[in-house]
Amino acid sequence: DAGVIQSPRHEVTEMGQEVTLRCKPISGHNSLFWYRQTMMRGLELLIYFNNNVPIDDSGMPEDRFSAKMPNASFSTLKIQPSEPRDSAVYFCASRANYGYTFGSGTRLTVV
Amino acid sequence: QKEVEQNSGPLSVPEGAIASLNCTYSDRGSQSFFWYRQYSGKSPELIMFIYSNGDKEDGRFTAQLNKASQYVSLLIRDSQPSDSATYLCAAPIGSSGGGADGLTFGKGTHLIIQP
Repeated sequence: DAGVIQSPRHEVTEMGQEVTLRCKPISGHNSLFWYRQTMMRGLELLIYFNNNVPIDDSGMPEDRFSAKMPNASFSTLKIQPSEPRDSAVYFCASRANYGYTFGSGTRLTVV
Repeated sequence: QKEVEQNSGPLSVPEGAIASLNCTYSDRGSQSFFWYRQYSGKSPELIMFIYSNGDKEDGRFTAQLNKASQYVSLLIRDSQPSDSATYLCAAPIGSSGGGADGLTFGKGTHLIIQP
């Protein structure tokens, strides 16, 4: 089992650019969650999917953020346009029965 | 909005001693809790899950839940330098005890085990 796979591991981009983060959940896990972690706010839930369907996106900070899950093995989180305050570590996690398995995260820096 | 509170630390414990980490929560209806460990620069990993009042033991780790007082604890016996990490307490956001609707996390306690 390769675990939850995220790419890229690091992303540095200029303000105003589009950023796309990718996630491959563990096979057989039917729930996928996107979290953002900063020193100030800790881990925040952005959005989650059950069986590829978005259930709750109330944590998405602004319309600049969007997420998709076109199939059971792939999800994306897109920020357009990016801003310096979006700098954070973005984690994807998948869940089967209880608890979550987190991916390695994407460290995003917007300059 | 459910809230989970933790002392940010750092909590410094000598090697071989018992490390005690605490977490309080706001929603009296919360039924279950999770403890995650996060090493610097790494992702959180699940180490304990507790549902019932009382203690749950797994190796050197013991989770304690006191629903009347609304706190959860994690005890680490025979602390090792490799236990140095940030420990995150989490509770399900919705009514599902397993976290199907998401988990709300505390900001974590930074634990340092001194050799």
